[in-house]
Parts: sequence; C-alpha cells; structure tokens
Amino acid sequence: DVKVTQSSRYLVKRTGEKVFLECVQDMDHENMFWYRQDPGLGLRLIYFSYDVKMKEKGDIPEGYSVSREKKERFSLILESASTNQTSMYLCASSPGAGGPRRETQYFGPGTRLLVL
Amino acid sequence: QKEVEQNSGPLSVPEGAIASLNCTYSDRGSQSFFWYRQYSGKSPELIMSIYSNGDKEDGRFTAQLNKASQYVSLLIRDSQPSDSATYLCAVNKAGTASKLTFGTGTRLQVTL
Repeated sequence: DVKVTQSSRYLVKRTGEKVFLECVQDMDHENMFWYRQDPGLGLRLIYFSYDVKMKEKGDIPEGYSVSREKKERFSLILESASTNQTSMYLCASSPGAGGPRRETQYFGPGTRLLVL
Repeated sequence: QKEVEQNSGPLSVPEGAIASLNCTYSDRGSQSFFWYRQYSGKSPELIMSIYSNGDKEDGRFTAQLNKASQYVSLLIRDSQPSDSATYLCAVNKAGTASKLTFGTGTRLQVTL
C-alpha cells in the first residue's frame, strides 16, 4: 500500500511567520504535489515536482515555495504566512514514468493550517 | 467553462438504492479518469480509475466512460450510509506529465 504522510494534522501560526509543511512518501514515486483545498473551490495545485530538485508552478504558487532534496520528501514553505493562506493542505504522490497507473495520485492525510 | 464539472449536490439516495454521480470534462485529449471519495475532514481516497470507453466494475462501484460525449460517471449499487461522502472526479491534463484536474465534488447523502 502507498503511504503518504504529512508532518502535522493541525497547525496554528501567526501572520508573518515562516511555515514548513513536510510530506513523505514510501513508494519511490517520481511525482509529488501540493494542493490546497477550500470550500467551494475544490483542490487547487500549488506546486508539482517530477524529480529531485525539479519543480513546476501550479495554478496558485504565489506566496509559496517548495523544496525537494530527496525523492521521498517534498516540503511546502509559506515564506510569510497570511490569513488568506488558512486552508487544508494536501500532499499527493504518483508513480510517474511509464505504465498505466503513472498518473494515479495518492494523498496524505492533510494539514489543516490556521493563520491568525 | 470549467475543465471538470460536477453537480455539487447534495445527492440524496435511500439506503440500498443506486447512486449515480456524473462528471463532464472539457479537454478532448484527456485519457485517464479517476474517482476519489472524501469523507468530511479527511483526504481524498482513490476508488477507481478508468481509461477506456465503457464500464468498469469493482465491487459495488461501476465507472462509466464516454469519451465522445466527454462524460464519466460513477454508479454505487446498494448504497450504504457509510458511502455518504463527497466524490471527486479527476481527469488528466493532456500534454502534461502527470497533472490531474479535479472537479469540486458531489456530496452524496445516503439516508436510512
């Protein structure tokens, strides 16, 4: 079974703080993703990584950065947290490379972030 | 037009009935389609994937794909209260490595 873990389930931070969200997958997947999910807006892609040290902006990258130093680990960084970044953050991974299931994404449990 | 559209619901069905969830997509180049279930406060969980036109069955779940009509559906037979959740449709973005576009989901309520 694919296992995707996230460092925190709930997080409360103050405006202006630097926030790190970490995601680890144990299935040697090539691709990793960070989404945020807000009521009525669905899942929105923040950043995507298809290899170590490789990243690509998603639909809403502003205010976020990412780091992927090891294949199994993908970090999301909020440089200066703001109240409009209060959300549920979901990490996912997918196999990538060849094969029919390469795009199938598996999600971590999510981190609910509240910025005060 | 949204890339992936779903009726937000709630869709209410009695226990034991068939629930029918629908999804339309705009990108004719999409080749991979997924259904996820998401319980309130939890993360999405993969139910099924489908890649070819027609039906694909897995237990009480059947996914149906019609690429000509750009339509994918999920049928849940013998619906149970534990099926009450939001169901997300996801479609691959043609020409991208592995990105998926998600619909906003349909909330299903199975009533006793």
